Amino acid sequence: EDQVTQSPEALRLQEGESSSLNCSYTVSGLRGLFWYRQDPGKGPEFLFTLYSAGEEKEKERLKATLTKKESFLHITAPKPEDSATYLCAVRETSGSRLTFGEGTQLTVNP
Amino acid sequence: DADVTQTPRNRITKTGKRIMLECSQTKGHDRMYWYRQDPGLGLRLIYYSFDVKDINKGEISDGYSVSRQAQAKFSLSLESAIPNQTALYFCATSDYDVGYGYTFGSGTRLTVV
Repeated sequence: EDQVTQSPEALRLQEGESSSLNCSYTVSGLRGLFWYRQDPGKGPEFLFTLYSAGEEKEKERLKATLTKKESFLHITAPKPEDSATYLCAVRETSGSRLTFGEGTQLTVNP
Repeated sequence: DADVTQTPRNRITKTGKRIMLECSQTKGHDRMYWYRQDPGLGLRLIYYSFDVKDINKGEISDGYSVSRQAQAKFSLSLESAIPNQTALYFCATSDYDVGYGYTFGSGTRLTVV
Protein backbone atom coordinates (compact mmCIF):
# COMPACT_ATOMS: atom_id res chain seq x y z
CA GLU A 1 0.00 0.00 0.00
CA ASP A 2 1.28 3.43 -0.95
CA GLN A 3 2.18 5.70 1.94
CA VAL A 4 2.99 9.38 1.97
CA THR A 5 4.15 11.24 5.09
CA GLN A 6 4.72 14.97 5.18
CA SER A 7 6.64 16.93 7.80
CA PRO A 8 6.37 19.16 9.60
CA GLU A 9 2.59 19.38 10.02
CA ALA A 10 2.88 23.14 10.42
CA LEU A 11 5.68 25.62 9.81
CA ARG A 12 5.82 29.27 10.71
CA LEU A 13 8.46 31.46 9.04
CA GLN A 14 9.39 35.09 8.97
CA GLU A 15 9.36 36.78 5.60
CA GLY A 16 12.68 36.06 3.89
CA GLU A 17 13.49 33.05 6.10
CA SER A 18 14.18 30.11 3.77
CA SER A 19 13.22 26.56 4.72
CA SER A 20 12.20 23.15 3.36
CA LEU A 21 9.17 20.88 3.56
CA ASN A 22 9.60 17.12 3.48
CA CYS A 23 7.58 14.38 1.79
CA SER A 24 8.58 10.77 2.46
CA TYR A 25 6.95 8.08 0.38
CA THR A 26 6.65 4.33 -0.03
CA VAL A 27 5.37 2.96 -3.31
CA SER A 28 5.92 -0.24 -5.24
CA GLY A 29 6.96 1.72 -8.31
CA LEU A 30 6.90 5.49 -8.62
CA ARG A 31 5.26 6.94 -11.70
CA GLY A 32 5.25 10.50 -10.46
CA LEU A 33 5.45 12.63 -7.33
CA PHE A 34 3.23 15.69 -7.28
CA TRP A 35 3.25 18.88 -5.25
CA TYR A 36 0.12 20.99 -4.79
CA ARG A 37 -0.68 24.24 -3.04
CA GLN A 38 -4.02 24.64 -1.26
CA ASP A 39 -5.41 27.93 -0.03
CA PRO A 40 -8.16 27.97 2.62
CA GLY A 41 -11.58 27.15 1.17
CA LYS A 42 -10.17 26.25 -2.22
CA GLY A 43 -9.18 23.15 -4.12
CA PRO A 44 -5.53 22.10 -4.41
CA GLU A 45 -3.61 23.79 -7.22
CA PHE A 46 -0.97 21.84 -9.15
CA LEU A 47 2.65 22.96 -8.75
CA PHE A 48 5.10 20.28 -9.94
CA THR A 49 5.50 16.71 -11.11
CA LEU A 50 8.78 14.87 -10.51
CA TYR A 51 9.47 11.52 -12.08
CA SER A 52 12.94 10.28 -11.17
CA ALA A 53 15.57 10.63 -8.47
CA GLY A 54 17.76 13.66 -9.01
CA GLU A 55 15.11 15.63 -10.83
CA GLU A 56 14.47 19.24 -9.79
CA LYS A 57 11.82 21.77 -10.79
CA GLU A 58 11.47 25.43 -9.92
CA LYS A 59 8.71 28.00 -9.90
CA GLU A 60 9.37 31.46 -8.50
CA ARG A 61 10.51 30.96 -4.88
CA LEU A 62 9.76 27.22 -4.87
CA LYS A 63 12.07 24.38 -5.85
CA ALA A 64 11.11 20.72 -5.64
CA THR A 65 13.67 17.91 -5.52
CA LEU A 66 13.32 14.13 -5.53
CA THR A 67 15.29 11.20 -4.15
CA LYS A 68 14.35 7.51 -4.11
CA LYS A 69 12.62 7.86 -0.75
CA GLU A 70 11.61 11.49 -0.34
CA SER A 71 10.98 14.83 -1.91
CA PHE A 72 11.71 18.30 -0.61
CA LEU A 73 9.96 21.55 -1.38
CA HIS A 74 12.47 24.32 -0.79
CA ILE A 75 11.11 27.80 -0.22
CA THR A 76 13.62 30.60 -0.75
CA ALA A 77 13.01 34.02 0.79
CA PRO A 78 9.29 33.39 1.29
CA LYS A 79 6.66 36.12 1.24
CA PRO A 80 3.36 36.25 3.12
CA GLU A 81 1.52 35.29 -0.07
CA ASP A 82 3.31 31.92 0.04
CA SER A 83 1.23 31.04 3.10
CA ALA A 84 -0.85 27.96 2.27
CA THR A 85 -1.04 24.24 2.83
CA TYR A 86 1.36 22.28 0.62
CA LEU A 87 0.33 18.78 -0.36
CA CYS A 88 2.46 15.98 -1.70
CA ALA A 89 1.05 13.01 -3.64
CA VAL A 90 2.44 9.93 -5.37
CA ARG A 91 1.26 7.92 -8.33
CA GLU A 92 2.33 4.30 -8.59
CA THR A 93 3.12 2.59 -11.85
CA SER A 94 -0.05 0.51 -11.95
CA GLY A 95 -2.65 3.26 -12.18
CA SER A 96 -3.59 6.92 -12.33
CA ARG A 97 -4.81 7.31 -8.76
CA LEU A 98 -2.88 9.62 -6.49
CA THR A 99 -2.20 8.98 -2.81
CA PHE A 100 -1.91 12.21 -0.84
CA GLY A 101 -0.03 13.12 2.29
CA GLU A 102 -1.69 15.12 5.04
CA GLY A 103 0.00 18.35 4.06
CA THR A 104 2.20 21.00 5.67
CA GLN A 105 0.51 24.23 6.68
CA LEU A 106 2.95 27.06 5.99
CA THR A 107 2.52 30.52 7.51
CA VAL A 108 4.84 33.34 6.50
CA ASN A 109 4.71 36.36 8.75
CA PRO A 110 5.58 39.84 7.43
CA ASP B 1 -15.87 29.82 -15.78
CA ALA B 2 -13.94 27.33 -13.72
CA ASP B 3 -12.57 24.21 -15.41
CA VAL B 4 -14.11 22.01 -12.71
CA THR B 5 -17.34 23.22 -11.11
CA GLN B 6 -18.84 21.75 -7.97
CA THR B 7 -22.31 22.42 -6.65
CA PRO B 8 -23.39 23.25 -4.06
CA ARG B 9 -20.46 25.08 -2.41
CA ASN B 10 -21.92 24.63 1.04
CA ARG B 11 -24.65 22.37 2.34
CA ILE B 12 -26.11 21.58 5.72
CA THR B 13 -28.29 18.50 5.88
CA LYS B 14 -29.90 16.34 8.52
CA THR B 15 -28.94 12.81 9.51
CA GLY B 16 -30.68 10.25 7.33
CA LYS B 17 -31.29 12.53 4.37
CA ARG B 18 -30.15 11.67 0.86
CA ILE B 19 -27.91 14.26 -0.70
CA MET B 20 -26.19 14.62 -4.08
CA LEU B 21 -23.06 16.59 -4.83
CA GLU B 22 -22.49 17.47 -8.46
CA CYS B 23 -19.36 17.98 -10.52
CA SER B 24 -18.99 19.15 -14.10
CA GLN B 25 -15.83 19.84 -16.09
CA THR B 26 -14.79 21.59 -19.27
CA LYS B 27 -11.27 20.13 -19.39
CA GLY B 28 -12.25 17.34 -21.77
CA HIS B 29 -10.66 14.81 -19.41
CA ASP B 30 -11.88 11.24 -19.32
CA ARG B 31 -10.88 10.54 -15.73
CA MET B 32 -12.79 11.95 -12.77
CA TYR B 33 -12.40 11.47 -9.03
CA TRP B 34 -14.17 12.22 -5.76
CA TYR B 35 -12.11 12.88 -2.62
CA ARG B 36 -13.00 13.93 0.89
CA GLN B 37 -10.72 16.01 3.06
CA ASP B 38 -10.72 15.91 6.84
CA PRO B 39 -8.37 17.74 9.21
CA GLY B 40 -5.44 15.48 10.06
CA LEU B 41 -6.43 12.84 7.53
CA GLY B 42 -5.64 14.52 4.26
CA LEU B 43 -7.39 13.75 0.99
CA ARG B 44 -8.93 10.29 0.73
CA LEU B 45 -10.31 8.76 -2.46
CA ILE B 46 -14.01 7.84 -2.45
CA TYR B 47 -14.70 6.82 -6.07
CA TYR B 48 -13.08 7.27 -9.44
CA SER B 49 -14.14 6.83 -13.05
CA PHE B 50 -11.96 6.36 -16.12
CA ASP B 51 -14.86 6.80 -18.53
CA VAL B 52 -18.66 6.73 -18.55
CA LYS B 53 -18.80 2.94 -18.27
CA ASP B 54 -15.91 2.48 -15.85
CA ILE B 55 -16.52 3.30 -12.18
CA ASN B 56 -14.35 2.09 -9.33
CA LYS B 57 -14.40 2.21 -5.55
CA GLY B 58 -11.71 4.08 -3.72
CA GLU B 59 -10.44 3.53 -0.20
CA ILE B 60 -13.52 4.89 1.62
CA SER B 61 -16.55 4.15 -0.59
CA ASP B 62 -18.90 2.79 2.12
CA GLY B 63 -21.97 5.01 2.49
CA TYR B 64 -21.42 6.69 -0.88
CA SER B 65 -22.47 6.04 -4.47
CA VAL B 66 -21.66 7.77 -7.75
CA SER B 67 -23.08 8.32 -11.19
CA ARG B 68 -21.19 9.27 -14.35
CA GLN B 69 -23.93 10.83 -16.44
CA ALA B 70 -21.62 11.96 -19.24
CA GLN B 71 -17.93 12.46 -19.86
CA ALA B 72 -18.19 15.87 -18.25
CA LYS B 73 -20.44 15.04 -15.26
CA PHE B 74 -19.75 12.95 -12.18
CA SER B 75 -22.08 13.03 -9.17
CA LEU B 76 -21.55 11.78 -5.63
CA SER B 77 -24.50 10.69 -3.49
CA LEU B 78 -24.81 10.05 0.22
CA GLU B 79 -27.76 7.67 0.47
CA SER B 80 -28.41 8.28 4.16
CA ALA B 81 -26.16 10.99 5.54
CA ILE B 82 -24.51 10.56 8.94
CA PRO B 83 -22.57 13.11 11.02
CA ASN B 84 -19.14 11.54 10.38
CA GLN B 85 -19.62 12.32 6.69
CA THR B 86 -19.20 15.98 7.57
CA ALA B 87 -16.18 17.00 5.51
CA LEU B 88 -14.89 18.99 2.56
CA TYR B 89 -15.53 17.13 -0.70
CA PHE B 90 -13.49 17.64 -3.85
CA CYS B 91 -14.03 16.55 -7.41
CA ALA B 92 -10.97 16.27 -9.64
CA THR B 93 -10.18 15.40 -13.24
CA SER B 94 -7.14 14.18 -15.12
CA ASP B 95 -6.11 13.04 -18.53
CA TYR B 96 -4.72 9.56 -19.13
CA ASP B 97 -1.13 10.55 -18.53
CA VAL B 98 -1.77 12.51 -15.29
CA GLY B 99 1.53 14.24 -16.00
CA TYR B 100 0.05 17.59 -15.13
CA GLY B 101 -1.64 16.20 -12.05
CA TYR B 102 -5.27 16.57 -11.23
CA THR B 103 -7.44 19.65 -11.74
CA PHE B 104 -9.56 20.15 -8.65
CA GLY B 105 -12.85 21.89 -8.15
CA SER B 106 -13.33 24.44 -5.38
CA GLY B 107 -14.97 21.91 -3.09
CA THR B 108 -18.27 21.37 -1.32
CA ARG B 109 -18.37 21.88 2.42
CA LEU B 110 -20.93 19.41 3.76
CA THR B 111 -22.23 19.44 7.31
CA VAL B 112 -24.48 16.65 8.56
CA VAL B 113 -26.35 17.52 11.74
